[in-house]
Parts: sequence; structure tokens; C-alpha cells
Amino acid sequence: DAKTTQPPSMDCAEGRAANLPCNHSTISGNEYVYWYRQIHSQGPQYIIHGLKNNETNEMASLIITEDRKSSTLILPHATLRDTAVYYCFPVPTGFQKLVFGTGTRLLVSP
Amino acid sequence: EAQVTQNPRYLITVTGKKLTVTCSQNMNHEYMSWYRQDPGLGLRQIYYSMNVEVTDKGDVPEGYKVSRKEKRNFPLILESPSPNQTSLYFCASTDTAGGNYNEQFFGPGTRLTVL
Repeated sequence: DAKTTQPPSMDCAEGRAANLPCNHSTISGNEYVYWYRQIHSQGPQYIIHGLKNNETNEMASLIITEDRKSSTLILPHATLRDTAVYYCFPVPTGFQKLVFGTGTRLLVSP
Repeated sequence: EAQVTQNPRYLITVTGKKLTVTCSQNMNHEYMSWYRQDPGLGLRQIYYSMNVEVTDKGDVPEGYKVSRKEKRNFPLILESPSPNQTSLYFCASTDTAGGNYNEQFFGPGTRLTVL
């Protein structure tokens, strides 16, 4: 499995953009980058995924570097409800298992 | 509302007393999975099921059983629980159309304590 590195914690002011980095320097060509988050001890929630192009949905934007060795999840206007642990991990196409690491604990403050 | 439900949400039991944690999804998903979450170890997959009557082991299957007799239900069975199975358990499901298994919907979790 490709190894990912994320900062253990980050802070963000409410209303500002939260940029969460992820390093996946050993990612393989057939692996997508997935982002999930977990609010307190609730079930993880899918956010977004991408292969090599930048992606955007109603929750967030995903920027993947051209060499695919790192990515950034952007929450454009963070709210208090975005306080959570954010997980980034690569997953091969058709793979059935998600391998969560330790993630980044994002704290959004007023 | 599309959802994955788990019951019970909280359970305290004693060593050796068989228990079942139920999981049900109303999205007609083929794929279902069980994870456990422990401090410092993240989420680890216990078992998964690609479809009815098809189940397979994940990373930490020891001490657990599952069954998939109906598409919507995927119960987790602990035949003889032990204290090292004290954990937070999550059930998840996903639509496998297009071969993408990874946008998984998770249940609310079951916090199990085995004394």
C-alpha cells in the first residue's frame, strides 16, 4: 500500500479557506486519491476523490500535483461543522478496502 | 432517507457471551463491509461482502463471523467476545456500479465494551 503523510493537526478561522495537504509520494499510476472525514466519533464521510485532474464538488475541491505525489483538499469557506479528522489515502481502481491512516485533525474556530 | 443503520449503538457485555451487531442499508448496495476503530490504529477492515452469500476476510477477521443472506443486511457476530474486541465498530456499504467501491456510506457506529 502507498504510504501517505498528513500533518497531525491544523487550525482554521471560520469563514476562511482550509487547505489540507497530503503527501503520497509512492502512489501508483492506477491509484485514485480519496478524501474522507470523520466528525467526532461518527462514521467516516466520503468527501471527494481524483486521479490526476483537479476535482470540485459541493463539499470541497481537490488539487493534485502534476507528478501526483501530493494533493490538497480545499474547504473554501470553513464552518465550525467542518471540525473533524480528515483522511487522505490512495486506492487502486476496483479495490475493495479503504486503508485509513491517522489523518489531520482540523479545528475551525470562530 | 438513504442510510446505513446499526444496532445497538452502545453495548456492554461480558467475556464469552455471544452477541450480534446488526447492519442494514436501504440503498440496494451490493458491497458491504465492517470496520473497527481503535485509538492509534485507525480503522481496520474486519470482513466484507461483495454480494448476497459472498463474504471474505479483511485485515482483522479473527473472532468475528458475518453472514449475507439478504442484500440489505450484514450482521457482525461475535461468538465468544473477549476484552480485546472492545472497540468502535462501523458498517459501510457502497454501490459497485462502474467498479468503484470506494465512495462508501458508513453507519453511525456501535461502541462495544467487553468486560
